[in-house]
Amino acid sequence: GAGVSQSPSNKVTEKGKDVELRCDPISGHTALYWYRQSLGQGLEFLIYFQGNSAPDKSGLPSDRFSAERTGGSVSTLTIQRTQQEDSAVYLCASSLVWTGNTEAFFGQGTRLTVV
Amino acid sequence: AQSVTQLGSHVSVSEGALVLLRCNYSSSVPPYLFWYVQYPNQGLQLLLKYTSAATLVKGINGFEAEFKKSETSFHLTKPSAHMSDAAEYFCAVSGTNAGKSTFGDGTTLTVKP
Repeated sequence: GAGVSQSPSNKVTEKGKDVELRCDPISGHTALYWYRQSLGQGLEFLIYFQGNSAPDKSGLPSDRFSAERTGGSVSTLTIQRTQQEDSAVYLCASSLVWTGNTEAFFGQGTRLTVV
Repeated sequence: AQSVTQLGSHVSVSEGALVLLRCNYSSSVPPYLFWYVQYPNQGLQLLLKYTSAATLVKGINGFEAEFKKSETSFHLTKPSAHMSDAAEYFCAVSGTNAGKSTFGDGTTLTVKP
């Protein structure tokens, strides 16, 4: 597709369950990022992938969060044993390269609600 | 280390009035600065970016921003607000890696008829 695609768009899960969020970046983009947007707050950096290098996981809030990127394309963010404070919109973005002056293209996000 | 402060979580203007959204940044290296807009239930879209070429940056939809190093500011302006400008606006700063962009908390712009 032409843009960054995320699925599902909405996810309601019970506390304690695991969830997987998917991101399809723009074709050819070597960098991929995950952010979390909580209600009334800015974007919280979670993790980024650049090419074949080891991902920068410095923003992951706990070891319940993990992410992978297969074949340098699709990425999956997994949250294990979900908690209510995990409720937020999870945004994925990609950019052509990973330099600081490069525009990031964002998906529409996955709204996660933990009940 | 880098940080962004957006002054005013909510700004309300009348249609046709000047829009001014404030952003101050802190960065230990020469910064790259961005303004993004987010419409309801959508992802973020780039409005404009400063990458050290020119201090006055023009973006889409009639928006512009001026980089002022002495004031560590990158305020967003538009001479005449339109109803379609109602959205949330985010200022962001990055250093060498776009993935490390730090975003402000956002400013919600309301445009009154």
